[in-house]
Amino acid sequence: SAVISQKPSRDICQRGTSLTIQCQVDSQVTMMFWYRQQPGQSLTLIATANQGSEATYESGFVIDKFPISRPNLTFSTLTVSNMSPEDSSIYLCSVAGNANTGELFFGEGSRLTVL
Amino acid sequence: AQSVTQLGSHVSVSEGALVLLRCNYSSSVPPYLFWYVQYPNQGLQLLLKYTSAATLVKGINGFEAEFKKSETSFHLTKPSAHMSDAAEYFCAVSERHGTDKLIFGTGTRLQVFP
Repeated sequence: SAVISQKPSRDICQRGTSLTIQCQVDSQVTMMFWYRQQPGQSLTLIATANQGSEATYESGFVIDKFPISRPNLTFSTLTVSNMSPEDSSIYLCSVAGNANTGELFFGEGSRLTVL
Repeated sequence: AQSVTQLGSHVSVSEGALVLLRCNYSSSVPPYLFWYVQYPNQGLQLLLKYTSAATLVKGINGFEAEFKKSETSFHLTKPSAHMSDAAEYFCAVSERHGTDKLIFGTGTRLQVFP
């Protein structure tokens, strides 16, 4: 299993500002995934981040709005840019389990409220 | 493309009663299937997974799920509900030989009454 730490755990932000969420994993992983969970809804994949290459974004998500960094095999950041109240969500970092089981491990999430 | 459908956004049971949470999947290739649980204000925790071994999968906390290819289903059950089972449950699917990204269902909120 992997232990995933996210910062901040929660924040209240003003409209128009940007916030960067950090994700630290206790082991080296190839792929990291960023999900969004809007209030009362399920998880939606934002992008897949591989070390050494640009992130791959899912339909409906763009790099200008959600830039991602992946500087090494244990760390990634997701920035939510030019925030609006619609961006109020929980943002979760996840990593694939070992042995190619398809399982994902999740951090506890970063709960953002945009006023 | 893969997808999962969870029937029933809310399920309520009495303590000690059978829990049945429904999940149907769509996949063009044999899938991996998962059930995750999310307790209030916490992250997701894996309950169990199906990865082509036994079709009846046992997980943590007394939960189990059966993969039925003919019905494209992966329903989650527990014989006797506990108050502590109250949470949000998500079914998820991934490609067997894909990129490990998971596609989640819309979730089912389980309430357990005394």
